Amino acid sequence: RKEVEQDPGPFNVPEGATVAFNCTYSNSASQSFFWYRQDCRKEPKLLMSVYSSGNEDGRFTAQLNRASQYISLLIRDSKLSDSATYLCVVNTGNQFYFGTGTSLTVIP
Amino acid sequence: NAGVTQTPKFQVLKTGQSMTLQCAQDMNHEYMSWYRQDPGMGLRLIHYSVGAGITDQGEVPNGYNVSRSTTEDFPLRLLSAAPSQTSVYFCASGRPDYLYEQYFGPGTRLTVT
Repeated sequence: RKEVEQDPGPFNVPEGATVAFNCTYSNSASQSFFWYRQDCRKEPKLLMSVYSSGNEDGRFTAQLNRASQYISLLIRDSKLSDSATYLCVVNTGNQFYFGTGTSLTVIP
Repeated sequence: NAGVTQTPKFQVLKTGQSMTLQCAQDMNHEYMSWYRQDPGMGLRLIHYSVGAGITDQGEVPNGYNVSRSTTEDFPLRLLSAAPSQTSVYFCASGRPDYLYEQYFGPGTRLTVT
């Protein structure tokens, strides 16, 4: 069983739409959770850490449900510049496990 | 701050050759790591280090060696390159006391023929 599973998409949404991504993880001992964004042929960049109480950064909201072992990312008012692959990342001990990513294309 | 730097950007090797991928960071981060990214597989951890002199294996360590003699540098050595090691390699660094948020270098695209 994979440590982290994500729906690969692709998600194609119009500008201004709201889109949500989900991710599940298998190890209940996992400690930290993150969303990264990766543009084509570039390195992953940290979008936001995910806190137990949920957290928001502008148009982005991240939620963590430890009981069900899933993490979510909500993007409101999508912009063309949000087009990228979004990676769910889970930290267990000193190791990190990445989902395969969810592809988002925002259409004008 | 340059952040995390990696060299080279591109490399082509023949099967059996060895080489070292360089990684350096100037953020005084204790934690450094190497990943490979293959299509449909996501990033997978090869080796990591929690400080100078301390290294450990990740998910896919076979065929790779690392060392960490300084806080800044964390080179990855391919001992005898195989076509299965064709991939994009990313180095990252982070602070364990800051939720382990990691920052990535620009990557090295390696092809083994």
